[in-house]
Amino acid sequence: ETGVTQSPTHLIKTRGQQVTLRCSSQSGHNTVSWYQQALGQGPQFIFQYYREEENGRGNFPPRFSGLQFPNYSSELNVNALELDDSALYLCASSYHPKQPQHFGDGTRLSIL
Amino acid sequence: AQKVTQAQTEISVVEKEDVTLDCVYETRDTTYYLFWYKQPPSGELVFLIRRNSFDEQNEISGRYSWNFQKSTSSFNFTITASQVVDSAVYFCALSESGTYKYIFGTGTRLKVLA
Repeated sequence: ETGVTQSPTHLIKTRGQQVTLRCSSQSGHNTVSWYQQALGQGPQFIFQYYREEENGRGNFPPRFSGLQFPNYSSELNVNALELDDSALYLCASSYHPKQPQHFGDGTRLSIL
Repeated sequence: AQKVTQAQTEISVVEKEDVTLDCVYETRDTTYYLFWYKQPPSGELVFLIRRNSFDEQNEISGRYSWNFQKSTSSFNFTITASQVVDSAVYFCALSESGTYKYIFGTGTRLKVLA
């Protein structure tokens, strides 16, 4: 069984740029959630997608957007990057929104 | 408002000692789930346990055990006979019914020394 995979592993961007992070769900999972984890903090919920529709959103501005594809893989897009966007971005998938979420290794994003 | 508090920022123990990680939560919901995840240096969050609010039975899995007490809003995690491989950051999380987001605590860094 393939777990949750995220790409890239690390990324360096400058302020004002745009970035796309990718996530492949664990086999059989139709739900994907994205979290932002700042250094020394717990993960913060960004949003969740269930069967290609947004199913809930945390307190993040609209410049954080996402997509889920028919194969249930997902993208997180962030526009107009700010220094505070530097963090580990975690993707999690599950069989259903109410089932335990299984996390990937994350993408570490650094903004210069 | 929902909130998870892990007051212990960092704990250091010597191998084979028992250690308990504390988790206190706040919620107005009567139906909710509690979780523990382990985050090794590699970064991924490893699922350890889920408990729903109607199941207060303690659970044991190998060297791990969990004590859920609704009266004190706590969901504590004990590692018996700790090992160096247990060194990681441990997160407690809450999910209320009807919402699918997890509210995480700030984590407890556990260092197990040989």
